[in-house]
Amino acid sequence: DAGVIQSPRHEVTEMGQEVTLRCKPISGHDYLFWYRQTMMRGLELLIYFNNNVPIDDSGMPEDRFSAKMPNASFSTLKIQPSEPRDSAVYFCAWGRGLYNEQFFGPGTRLTVL
Amino acid sequence: GEDVEQSLFLSVREGDSSVINCTYTDSSSTYLYWYKQEPGAGLQLLTYIFSNMDMKQDQRLTVLLNKKDKHLSLRIADTQTGDSAIYFCAATNYGGSQGNLIFGKGTKLSVKP
Repeated sequence: DAGVIQSPRHEVTEMGQEVTLRCKPISGHDYLFWYRQTMMRGLELLIYFNNNVPIDDSGMPEDRFSAKMPNASFSTLKIQPSEPRDSAVYFCAWGRGLYNEQFFGPGTRLTVL
Repeated sequence: GEDVEQSLFLSVREGDSSVINCTYTDSSSTYLYWYKQEPGAGLQLLTYIFSNMDMKQDQRLTVLLNKKDKHLSLRIADTQTGDSAIYFCAATNYGGSQGNLIFGKGTKLSVKP
């Protein structure tokens, strides 16, 4: 999917557990975005990075959420502790910043029981 | 801030034309996008239009932009069952924050044979 690998594709966990979602974008991008999609709230931007530096994390719902980008080809989104309301599909996307177009990965479907 | 609105559902018959509408609020939006999401997949960029254009055609897809009314539409000619998906409109203001790609909630297109 558009040069983005996300893992795992599906994750089922119990409330209180730590969850780590991974994203490997293609090289040569400028921006890396994390989104969450639910039926109720639609697509929400959680955080984005520019050249591996977090630029805007105002969409991160709580301190339980954290994201890192240690290098240009890898990013993680961590939820600790997880709660049932975190159940959603989480997308990673990359952008070149030229026309602001973004290219999405296939997503990780997270279910917190 | 920017707000993007779309109708939630559209149903058409195979072979007919589909028109998906979108309105946005920020008149300074410079790039507008249409994304397609098939079940279980990420968002796929279909096409985009610059604010200095009124129309863009790409095979079966025609994008119309009315800047005065802040209205964007996507027309799919000869709609096929494979076009059944959720279509997202998105807007951004190039030159501002590169993260502010604002998505609508998506229009679910159902194509009946």
